[in-house]
Amino acid sequence: GQQLNQSPQSMFIQEGEDVSMNCTSSSIFNTWLWYKQDPGEGPVLLIALYKAGELTSNGRLTAQFGITRKDSFLNISASIPSDVGIYFCAGGNQFYFGTGTSLTVIP
Amino acid sequence: DAGVTQSPTHLIKTRGQHVTLRCSPISGHKSVSWYQQVLGQGPQFIFQYYEKEERGRGNFPDRFSARQFPNYSSELNVNALLLGDSALYLCASSLDPTGGLANYGYTFGSGTRLTVV
Repeated sequence: GQQLNQSPQSMFIQEGEDVSMNCTSSSIFNTWLWYKQDPGEGPVLLIALYKAGELTSNGRLTAQFGITRKDSFLNISASIPSDVGIYFCAGGNQFYFGTGTSLTVIP
Repeated sequence: DAGVTQSPTHLIKTRGQHVTLRCSPISGHKSVSWYQQVLGQGPQFIFQYYEKEERGRGNFPDRFSARQFPNYSSELNVNALLLGDSALYLCASSLDPTGGLANYGYTFGSGTRLTVV
């Protein structure tokens, strides 16, 4: 099945730094969602986007639905150790997931 | 409230065997989706069921099948297991197939870890 391309593949940052990651697709999607997955657990929804150009925040997390509807971005401000995990984007009623961005926060 | 529950949590099978994985959605959720997540990759969509009918199917061979019961629980069956079927199998539920725009997204269970030897 199709997988969305996420970048970067992995990130190692200092606690307190901001984080940016993105997700691109060759297809247009009407929905973009961002999930976080901890080891041994299923993904947990962070943010959902339903409109091109939409910018949505959830605490320190901000996500944007790209104007072309082929991409989305996730930003995490002032990272903390519990932000560690793998972040996935998903599009198209969640039929398609990204390849994941692994985030490591160094205290 | 109970979340999405999956059973068993871990399973070891031999090549060629058959396996049945089970999922109970959140109470009130009528849509169930199944995903395969190979280590180091994102979830791959297998099936979506809504009101006991198949609403979507991913690019998986016919060895994979599923069904949804009147109580909205679901089973994923895999026949003639291959080594490559080893993965975390995730179930996700939602109010409806769109993910429920008013309650966006799906809620995932913790998965069943299948190892084929």
